[in-house]
Amino acid sequence: DAMVIQNPRYQVTQFGKPVTLSCSQTLNHNVMYWYQQKSSQAPKLLFHYYDKDFNNEADTPDNFQSRRPNTSFCFLDIRSPGLGDAAMYLCATSRVGNTGGYEQYFGPGTRLTVT
Amino acid sequence: GNSVTQMEGPVTLSEEAFLTINCTYTATGYPSLFWYVQYPGEGLQLLLKATKADDKGSNKGFEATYRKETTSFHLEKGSVQVSDSAVYFCALSDYTGGFKTIFGAGTRLFVKA
Repeated sequence: DAMVIQNPRYQVTQFGKPVTLSCSQTLNHNVMYWYQQKSSQAPKLLFHYYDKDFNNEADTPDNFQSRRPNTSFCFLDIRSPGLGDAAMYLCATSRVGNTGGYEQYFGPGTRLTVT
Repeated sequence: GNSVTQMEGPVTLSEEAFLTINCTYTATGYPSLFWYVQYPGEGLQLLLKATKADDKGSNKGFEATYRKETTSFHLEKGSVQVSDSAVYFCALSDYTGGFKTIFGAGTRLFVKA
């Protein structure tokens, strides 16, 4: 089945130690998103890629970076995690050009713990 | 700018009760409207959608009708089950927002046996 895969599902890192979360998709969608979600609040968009074009949200901290080496993969790098960065990180994809609007397909998420 | 407002939770119902979760929106364009559901420990899943006024989206017994005159997209289900316990997010996207989706704050639903 076509899907969005996130690895790992659970990640523990130390305060200030860089961490990378990964996302892959078999849907061949041209847009990929990274969200941060805390305590079942609404997901907060960090950035998205439309093909190779990177779009950062104005309020995304510089501590968060992303890479999309090809259509299928996207990475979230947190350069120096703080305690406030502990959250669920969700990857999603969308196909621009769908007549049904930009419905998004989400991965299962990576829960990040910072110790 | 675009925004979505949905009723605050939690909503607690007994099994087989009728469910309504209210959602209203503000949009400058002609948005598509969505309901997403999130089960504990999982990502969001698209539950249903509607792309134009008067469209009704439906899935798994849930329904919502796109009402342009009242800018609403209320979620309903005639008989809830314990397995429907989850967080429900109303959302919209349109061309004026680029490729982004605007989510409501989410409504947590608890269904008791």
